[in-house]
Order: sequence, then C-alpha cells, then structure tokens
Amino acid sequence: NAGVTQTPKFQVLKTGQSMTLQCAQDMNHEYMSWYRQDPGMGLRLIHYSVGAGITDQGEVPNGYNVSRSTTEDFPLRLLSAAPSQTSVYFCASSYRLTGNEQFFGPGTRLTVL
Amino acid sequence: TQLLEQSPQFLSIQEGENLTVYCNSSSVFSSLQWYRQEPGEGPVLLVTVVTGGEVKKLKRLTFQFGDARKDSSLHITAAQPGDTGLYLCAGNDYKLSFGAGTTVTVRA
Repeated sequence: NAGVTQTPKFQVLKTGQSMTLQCAQDMNHEYMSWYRQDPGMGLRLIHYSVGAGITDQGEVPNGYNVSRSTTEDFPLRLLSAAPSQTSVYFCASSYRLTGNEQFFGPGTRLTVL
Repeated sequence: TQLLEQSPQFLSIQEGENLTVYCNSSSVFSSLQWYRQEPGEGPVLLVTVVTGGEVKKLKRLTFQFGDARKDSSLHITAAQPGDTGLYLCAGNDYKLSFGAGTTVTVRA
C-alpha cells in the first residue's frame, strides 16, 4: 500500500494564482483531513470529510475549498493565493474522525510570493 | 490561542540523558495522542492514551495521561540521536486538536 500520497511536493505561486493540492489514500479510510503547519502553531485543521460527498470546515477554512467525489481522493483548492497561505500542507486519513490513528502524507511546501 | 500547550518548545540534550515533554490544556479530552515528526515528513503516531491516569510504555518512551484527562507527558529514558524530532500531542474532543510541538535534539 502507498498509504497517503500528496502532490506536488513543492510549489511556488504568485499572489492571486489558484491551484489544487492533490491527496489520495489507498487504505479505504472514510475520514480525510487537510492541515496546515506553520512554525510555532502546530497543525491546524482546514477542512475535513467524513465520507464521499460530505465535507465540513475546520479551524482555518477561509481561502480554501474542498470536495470529495470518491473515497480515495480529497483535493484542496486555493482560490486566490495570498502570502498568508505560505505554509506546509498535510493531508491525513483515518478510520474515524477522532480516536483512531491519523495517517499523514509527506506534505506539500507552498510558497506564495 | 492553542487549545493544547506544549512545553518546552525546544529541548537539546546529550545522548544518554532523560527528557520529559509536557502537554497541558484546560479542556477535557476523550483521548490524547502523541505523534513524532521528522524533517520533511508527516507526523507518525506513537501512542493513544484513553483512560485518566493511564501509563503506557513503548521501549524507552513512557506516556502518561492525567487523572482529569486534561494533560499528558512523554518521558524518554536514555535518549538516543534517533529520538530527534518534533513531538506533537493531539487531543480528541469531536475533532483532533494539535499542540504546537516540542523540538527535541539529541546530540551524539
């Protein structure tokens, strides 16, 4: 099993550009989440999904959109990139939303100029 | 404001020394998890503690969940360079909330 995969590994955007961060898992997990990690801030939840077709907002959802058309894929869209969105983004999946082990992808390092 | 406060923020010790990392909150959690993250990688689960007062041991790592389920500690005995990393605690209410992490460096 590949586990949780994320692409790209690195990305540089200009302010105002849009892009999609890809996330896929092959463990048949119902629950998937997107986090951002900033120095001194830990991991903050952006959006999460409890199954195909169902998504909800986390702690810091502004400026991001998600959709979940399949169990395997959970892309994160940046609508109009801003320098404040410079961060490392992690996708995670688990059997349940909480209480179970979260399996994390390797992360995407995004820089917005 | 972090729901979970971790201390210290940074810790640098010599190989063979012991260390303790703390995770504190004013909120009660149904369970608490500890993850370790190495540079350029995602966090990896070390342990989940569920019962107040619970103590779990994984080789040289000892995890304790406070009686009131608001705090936890991670103790490493005879630290090795391979223990170097970012240690994150995460509390479960209806979702997972992470602390800011403790960066541990073990010098050979």
